[in-house]
Amino acid sequence: EAGVTQFPSHSVIEKGQTVTLRCDPISGHDNLYWYRRVMGKEIKFLLHFVKESKQDESGMPNNRFLAERTGGTYSTLKVQPAELEDSGVYFCASSQDDGTSTFSSYNEQFFGPGTRLTVL
Amino acid sequence: KQEVTQIPAALSVPEGENLVLNCSFTDSAIYNLQWFRQDPGKGLTSLLLIQSSQREQTSGRLNASLDKSSGRSTLYIAASQPGDSATYLCAVRPIEYKLSFGAGTTVTVRA
Repeated sequence: EAGVTQFPSHSVIEKGQTVTLRCDPISGHDNLYWYRRVMGKEIKFLLHFVKESKQDESGMPNNRFLAERTGGTYSTLKVQPAELEDSGVYFCASSQDDGTSTFSSYNEQFFGPGTRLTVL
Repeated sequence: KQEVTQIPAALSVPEGENLVLNCSFTDSAIYNLQWFRQDPGKGLTSLLLIQSSQREQTSGRLNASLDKSSGRSTLYIAASQPGDSATYLCAVRPIEYKLSFGAGTTVTVRA
């Protein structure tokens, strides 16, 4: 079974440009999450989709960030316009968890390899 | 606001020694706690998940304990090997789904 995949693995852009990151979750996982780690800090939650709906976007830093999950499959995270402080590693994760089961494997969040974003 | 702390930040041990990694959190109202491993330049690999109702979880040489009331979890790795060298992260999940991460413990196992 394929894991969570992310594209691209690296992106280097100039300040003010637009970048779109893509995440493909594990097949059958309704929950999809975005997290990021900026330099020297802990990994922080950005938002959570259940199928195509945004369940929680409390971690989105500002309105330059737009996440979508059309059709409830893959998701994109667009940064427009990018700023220097947006540099970091963006992780995507997915899980089956529908809140009704306490089986560990059902609740686990599985992470992708991340996209390293550098804004110059 | 949940704060997750991992001590020590770095650890170096000779091969064969047991590893003890600590994680503490400030809000005991958690749903579960997950331990991850991260290799340099790679993503996070889930190691163990402990539900809030559980006291411990085991997988091979790994054992994780949870004391929710005191806000602590410990990851034990028995008979460490050089391949265990990595950064270990703990993350707690409240009833909502978002994980709060610690900064990690970087482990080096010397051959």
